Amino acid sequence: EVQLVESGGGLVQPGGSLRLSCAASGFSVIDKYMNWVRQAPGKGLDWVAVIYTGGSTFYSDSVNGRFSISRDNSKNTLYLQMDSLRVDDTAVYYCARLAYSSGYYYDSWGPGTLVTVSS
Amino acid sequence: QSVLTQPPSVSAAPGQKVTISCSGSRSNIGSNYVSWYQHLPGTAPRLLIYDNNQRPSGIPARFSGSKSGTSATLDITGLQTGDEADYYCGTWDSSLSAGLVFGGGTKVTVL
Repeated sequence: EVQLVESGGGLVQPGGSLRLSCAASGFSVIDKYMNWVRQAPGKGLDWVAVIYTGGSTFYSDSVNGRFSISRDNSKNTLYLQMDSLRVDDTAVYYCARLAYSSGYYYDSWGPGTLVTVSS
Repeated sequence: QSVLTQPPSVSAAPGQKVTISCSGSRSNIGSNYVSWYQHLPGTAPRLLIYDNNQRPSGIPARFSGSKSGTSATLDITGLQTGDEADYYCGTWDSSLSAGLVFGGGTKVTVL
């Protein structure tokens, strides 16, 4: 059974850093395009970052240069290093596995971890 | 502001039908496949529909999707109290770097 479980969220001051983890089971993170998606309070879903099977990474404009996505194949875990955090980064962060059939879609999600950026 | 446009809320009585619309443009819905997700706060979002109208295993036939031009629709028939949740449409956008774009979400209320 495919399972994703995020951890590492918490309260951090503006300008601070935090590293989120997403432990995967039932498949290997190296074999899939793995993503981070967030949901700010009262808002919709918003894509943050992706790491491709070959290791290429891409980011939304709002986090480019501040966030870094990576993975540890030996631990089968996805990470999101978040630096220079801002108040508007406050959100629940989900890791999601990208699948492809005729089109792209997210076929598995974790329950999320809450990041609060506040002084 | 979300790339795709959904109504904020829809409601109906148990057993009835609700329809959720999702409007986009040529660069997203108009040229790519649409997926739909059910989300209860505090839980993992769940894939309901992919490739416009395909259901993953375990998703009841009460949930169906369609697409026409730059718009897509999710229908829920035989509404149940357990269907109360937020629903999001998503698709690829050919004009952006990577990742799916989403609608702002629609809250379904069972009266």
